[in-house]
Amino acid sequence: DVKVTQSSRYLVKRTGEKVFLECVQDMDHENMFWYRQDPGLGLRLIYFSYDVKMKEKGDIPEGYSVSREKKERFSLILESASTNQTSMYLCASGPGALNEKLFFGSGTQLSVL
Amino acid sequence: ILNVEQSPQSLHVQEGDSTNFTCSFPSSNFYALHWYRWETAKSPEALFVMTLNGDEKKKGRISATLNTKEGYSYLYIKGSQPEDSATYLCAFNAGNNRKLIWGLGTSLAVNP
Repeated sequence: DVKVTQSSRYLVKRTGEKVFLECVQDMDHENMFWYRQDPGLGLRLIYFSYDVKMKEKGDIPEGYSVSREKKERFSLILESASTNQTSMYLCASGPGALNEKLFFGSGTQLSVL
Repeated sequence: ILNVEQSPQSLHVQEGDSTNFTCSFPSSNFYALHWYRWETAKSPEALFVMTLNGDEKKKGRISATLNTKEGYSYLYIKGSQPEDSATYLCAFNAGNNRKLIWGLGTSLAVNP
């Protein structure tokens, strides 16, 4: 079975801290995605990557950066966490074309105090 | 602006009822339509990916149809069970980019 593993299920950080959210997939997928889920707003794409060291901005990249040094790992970085970044963060991976399904991690609920 | 709409927003049914909900998407530049089930405290899980107009897919008691010309897909659940309670999400891909456009989901509650 494909596994997408997110490093933490719950995380509490303070305003201004640098936060790393890690995501690892074991199926050699080209594409990896970071989403945030907020009530009433649906899944919003923060960043995605279609290859090692390649990244593209999604719909809400402000305040975030990403890193993909190895194919299996896609990291989301909050350079200076703010309270409006309190959210559920979901990582997903998938093969090259979007006519195949995505596989999701279990999510990280981040609270920024 | 590409938009995906799902209706209804939420639904309460009794165990054994059959139900269906709708996903509307842009009818131009269609490439793929995804359906996912998201149970509370779990990861979203893919149900179907549909690519051809007229496609019908089935997985147990759940089935889906696709009309790319008019821009809609239906998801049907036959004989709902409490374990079907979840949020059902659809997502559209236009093929000229690597993004999925997500609907807000239909939240289904099946009462025993």
